Amino acid sequence: DGGITQSPKYLFRKEGQNVTLSCEQNLNHDAMYWYRQDPGQGLRLIYYSQIVNDFQKGDIAEGYSVSREKKESFPLTVTSAQKNPTAFYLCASQYMGVGNTEAFFGQGTRLTVV
Amino acid sequence: SQQGEEDPQALSIQEGENATMNCSYKTSINNLQWYRQNSGRGLVHLILIRSNEREKHSGRLRVTLDTSKKSSSLLITASRAADTASYFCATDRGSTLGRLYFGRGTQLTVWP
Repeated sequence: DGGITQSPKYLFRKEGQNVTLSCEQNLNHDAMYWYRQDPGQGLRLIYYSQIVNDFQKGDIAEGYSVSREKKESFPLTVTSAQKNPTAFYLCASQYMGVGNTEAFFGQGTRLTVV
Repeated sequence: SQQGEEDPQALSIQEGENATMNCSYKTSINNLQWYRQNSGRGLVHLILIRSNEREKHSGRLRVTLDTSKKSSSLLITASRAADTASYFCATDRGSTLGRLYFGRGTQLTVWP
């Protein structure tokens, strides 16, 4: 089945720890995105990548880092510099064709600081 | 900042009734998209309407777009309890680079 997979579904982090969220897609999409969602809020863009080995900061990149070494994978690291990391994280991918197209989302990772 | 602003923030209706959600935006757009999110899950694409289109249908969904008022509406007809979810609009702010800007969403509850 083609799709986009996030893991783990739930993640607990201690204060001062870095954690990495996984996002893999087999849709052959060029673009991949990471969003953060807080309760009752919309989606805020953290980072995005439209080609391998290149990525751009979104609106709330501070305290996060990403890599795009393979087309299929776009992991997000939440660093200790992120002061309020507890949130729901969503990864998405998108075909970059003529005109803008729909985004496909993973099922999300809920990160909690303990 | 949020591009789309959905209205109302929350909507509660009975099964069989129609649900109408609105979205306003501030810049020019190439297209506008609506997504659905079940609680604790990822978003699922519902429908895309281009800036030169005024209305689009998909099953029980009807989307309208008024570019002069910079607004869109999503109508779900004959709603079902399974339609309970959050609904988000997303725009491209006139860019063709693919990035989407999401609103805060409307939480729809459909009571059996």
